[in-house]
Amino acid sequence: AQRVTQPEKLLSVFKGAPVELKCNYSYSGSPELFWYVQYSRQRLQLLLRHISRESIKGFTADLNKGETSFHLKKPFAQEEDSAMYYCALEPYGGATNKLIFGTGTLLAVQP
Amino acid sequence: DGGITQSPKYLFRKEGQNVTLSCEQNLNHDAMYWYRQDPGQGLRLIYYSQIVNDFQKGDIAEGYSVSREKKESFPLTVTSAQKNPTAFYLCASRLTSGAYNEQFFGPGTRLTVL
Repeated sequence: AQRVTQPEKLLSVFKGAPVELKCNYSYSGSPELFWYVQYSRQRLQLLLRHISRESIKGFTADLNKGETSFHLKKPFAQEEDSAMYYCALEPYGGATNKLIFGTGTLLAVQP
Repeated sequence: DGGITQSPKYLFRKEGQNVTLSCEQNLNHDAMYWYRQDPGQGLRLIYYSQIVNDFQKGDIAEGYSVSREKKESFPLTVTSAQKNPTAFYLCASRLTSGAYNEQFFGPGTRLTVL
């Protein structure tokens, strides 16, 4: 079964500390992975996707097919990074255009 | 102002009533989606549509119905058969040409059953 697991409901760090939001997936093929973010009182929006190999707002994510993981990392957290983060998977080929979301991790960056 | 709009922002319903949530987009996207967001459960797909006059059930379609008569509109009806309808509902859309396109989300509708 296709599944995305985010083991941490809440991650609290201090400003300037490194951040790693964990995401593991279960899928037999080669999926495309995404990170979406929801800031307070804002819409859910795309943060980054694996296929673009990009760094957005200092965040990066590496797809590890051996460990079936797509952890989101940032070397120095900022207070404005506080938000709900969702990892999402799209099956290879994208024919159904469906996303499978994890349960989300709330990141709280303390001053 | 382009994008996806949802109305109303807040909706209250009595038990046994059907209610319809509106979702409109002017992004010329082919595909539209309805999700339900509950604390600790993430986003769960209710229904989706990749083309006008066609839609498919998602993971939790029971108690819900949709229509896609126009490309721009994808209303969701929460029927009295939905046992636990109180939730935050999100609508999204995306282009279907090409793969792995970004989904754009609306601001959401919070439904409360009294």
